[in-house]
Order: sequence, then structure tokens, then C-alpha cells
Amino acid sequence: SQTIHQWPATLVQPVGSPLSLECTVEGTSNPNLYWYRQAAGRGLQLLFYSVGIGQISSEVPQNLSASRPQDRQFILSSKKLLLSDSGFYLCAWSVLSTAYSPLHFGNGTRLTVT
Amino acid sequence: DAKTTQPPSMDCAEGRAANLPCNHSTISGNEYVYWYRQIHSQGPQYIIHGLKNNETNEMASLIITEDRKSSTLILPHATLRDTAVYYCIVQSGSRLTFGEGTQLTVNP
Repeated sequence: SQTIHQWPATLVQPVGSPLSLECTVEGTSNPNLYWYRQAAGRGLQLLFYSVGIGQISSEVPQNLSASRPQDRQFILSSKKLLLSDSGFYLCAWSVLSTAYSPLHFGNGTRLTVT
Repeated sequence: DAKTTQPPSMDCAEGRAANLPCNHSTISGNEYVYWYRQIHSQGPQYIIHGLKNNETNEMASLIITEDRKSSTLILPHATLRDTAVYYCIVQSGSRLTFGEGTQLTVNP
């Protein structure tokens, strides 16, 4: 069966510090991978998605970046965090090849920038 | 992707059916309707999806109108654990966009 892992679960970082959140998927090959962010009490905002290694689509211009160094690994990064980067970050995957495919989410990372 | 419209909140009594509406009047012919829910501080959970026909699984039923411009998610016997934010999404292809969803509160 397929599983998705995100870490860390919670993170407190000072303004201006770097960020690296990692997400890995097991049990499937060549998945679509996604990073979403959710501000407190709000809906999910799509940040990045990837349909293959090295292929990243950015949805929102910001100081965040994403990379996909391996087929089932998706990394969200920032060189310098802003207060507005605080939120709940969710990684998700779906099957690439089908016309319809649900998203499967990880348990998320709650980031607080102080 | 087509935009969806959902009521911001709904209440339901425990044991009763919860009927959550969604409008998607600009849906195109190849876009599926998906429903997810998010329990507080967890990642969203897939519930059900459909294209034209009504669908049912162990969690819920999905009723899609004939013109496909709206749908209803039905939880036949709501429990307290069904309290969550429910998202209705229409999608084709790789990109999924979530709206604000409906906060369903199941009351004892």
C-alpha cells in the first residue's frame, strides 16, 4: 500500500532563517506531488506541483521554492523565512497516469515563524 | 478548473443525514467532482468522486444533478466524528484547487 511521510510535524523558526521540509512517498512510482499551505482558519492554497523529477510548477510567487531530486521525494525550501510564511504545510500525491485520481495527503507540518 | 461555491457552515444532529451542497455551474464535460474532508489539524481525506452518475461508497453518497452544475454529498448517519471542513472540488488533469469548504458541525 502507498504511504506518504512528512517531517517534521511541527517547527518553530525565527524570521530570516532557512527552511527545508521534506516529503516522501512509498509504494507508488512516478506520482504527481503537491505542496499546499493553509493559513489558520483558511482553505488550502496550492504552492507547487510536480509531474516528474525536476519538473516543478509554481502557483504563487513568493520566497518559497520546491525541488524534486528523486521520483518520490519532494522538498519545500526557503532561504529566508517571513512572518507570513507561518501556516500548515501539506504534501500530497496522486497517480500520474489516470484521468481521475484523488489526492492523498500527509499529516502536515505546522510552521510558526517568530 | 471550475470554481465551486459551498455554504461556509452547516449543523446536523447526530444520527441524522447530513446533506452538503456544492454549486459548480462552470464545470466542463471532462471535469470530475471530488469531495474531501479535513478534521482539525490533520491533512484532508478523500471521500468520493464522480463524473455524471451518482456514486456511493462506505463513507458517503454523491448526487450529481443531470446538468452537472451542482452536487450534494450525503453522510447518511452523521456521527460526532464527522465534524470537519468538507471541500468540494472540480478537476481535470494534475492541478487541484481547494476553496474554503463547509464547516460541518455534528451536534449530540
